[in-house]
Amino acid sequence: DIVMTQSPDSLAVSLGERATINCKSSQSVLYSSNNKNYLAWYQQKPGQPPKLLIYWASTRESGVPDRFSGSGSGTDFTLTINSLQAEDVAVYYCQQYYTTPCTFGQGTKLEIK
Amino acid sequence: EVQLVESGGGLVQPGGSLRLSCAASGFTFSSYGMSWVRQAPGKGLEWVSTGGSGGSTYYADSVEGRFTISRDNSKNTLYLQMNSLRAEDTAVYYCAKNGGSGGGVYYMDVWGKGTTVTVSS
Repeated sequence: DIVMTQSPDSLAVSLGERATINCKSSQSVLYSSNNKNYLAWYQQKPGQPPKLLIYWASTRESGVPDRFSGSGSGTDFTLTINSLQAEDVAVYYCQQYYTTPCTFGQGTKLEIK
Repeated sequence: EVQLVESGGGLVQPGGSLRLSCAASGFTFSSYGMSWVRQAPGKGLEWVSTGGSGGSTYYADSVEGRFTISRDNSKNTLYLQMNSLRAEDTAVYYCAKNGGSGGGVYYMDVWGKGTTVTVSS
């Protein structure tokens, strides 16, 4: 199974500042035949289901604010949240769907400093 | 509006069975793979199973042989039959729509609110 490791486990960022969450996979999730990274990011607020933010490592889901962006390739990926808003407080998960079983990172809890 | 509504959760004794349902609306259900993902209390997300649009099925090792995913495209409904339940199966179970068609795992672009399964004597 591909192991997804996020860092940090938690972070506190001031309103208006940038938050950066990292995700590392134990093997590449880049499919060479289509040059796509099979990596998604989700946001989960307390008491709510997860919400898709980013797929194919950098494609923003419709309706997601453009302050959210994804980058990276192969085994190392980053979710960046620019100009942090109060409503961004949540746990963020990365997920690989390169192979079965699909696996999630352990989650990163984002709070306001 | 695209919507998924789970039902069927509850309290069950170890070794018991439960069937979860997920009613889908607002999209062509038969064209998309569908998945179950669970979240134990205070824990992260764990993929459980995926049912492809063509009938293929995939399971996590932790539930293989105990859980069965199925779908009724005429009713736009996804199911998860859970047998031989264990305490470690206690979780909120989410139904999720795959972002693409076909079989296999995928990113999940629509999620239900979840149904709670508690396995305890």
